[in-house]
Amino acid sequence: AQTVTQSQPEMSVQEAETVTLSCTYDTSESDYYLFWYKQPPSRQMILVIRQEAYKQQNATENRFSVNFQKAAKSFSLKISDSQLGDAAMYFCAYNSGYALNFGKGTSLLVTP
Amino acid sequence: DSGVTQTPKHLITATGQRVTLRCSPRSGDLSVYWYQQSLDQGLQFLIQYYNGEERAKGNILERFSAQQFPDLHSELNLSSLELGDSALYFCASSATGTANYGYTFGSGTRLTVV
Repeated sequence: AQTVTQSQPEMSVQEAETVTLSCTYDTSESDYYLFWYKQPPSRQMILVIRQEAYKQQNATENRFSVNFQKAAKSFSLKISDSQLGDAAMYFCAYNSGYALNFGKGTSLLVTP
Repeated sequence: DSGVTQTPKHLITATGQRVTLRCSPRSGDLSVYWYQQSLDQGLQFLIQYYNGEERAKGNILERFSAQQFPDLHSELNLSSLELGDSALYFCASSATGTANYGYTFGSGTRLTVV
């Protein structure tokens, strides 16, 4: 089974600063998809960004971007101009078939 | 509102009991996925149904079962409940039988077993 590792249980960032959350995964597949989900205190899981492994270009969604290193099996999330509303648990997820396999999450604290 | 509806939002029950969690997928979505989220295990995939048929199975206990009905809503049945089954149970849906475009999640059912 593919494993997804988020090595930072907690991160902190000041408002307006930039933070990078790390994610590594283990797979023997060549075609797959990677995701970052956000879970705020409301508990709702929200899709932040998606990356297709066969695409070289890193995905971006407004203030959110990824650094996808396929050879290193690394998929980090960069949040620019951090806002108080970005405070949440962030989960990295991998998919090569039917279901998403999630990491254990990183709790992001945003300080004023 | 994500379009995925889960009921009830909260459930408190005693050990040994049986409960049913319900999920209505987003309009047009054919796949339903069930996940269990606990503090120590994170988000664990339980089972997927696609258009009424079981498509994939994850770490689902034998005490748990699920089904998807012709109107595409799904139910997760948990029986002989134990304290360790206390968790947040999520349902998610997708348009196709794969998760290549990710899921839309419901807001979850918080199950507390006492």
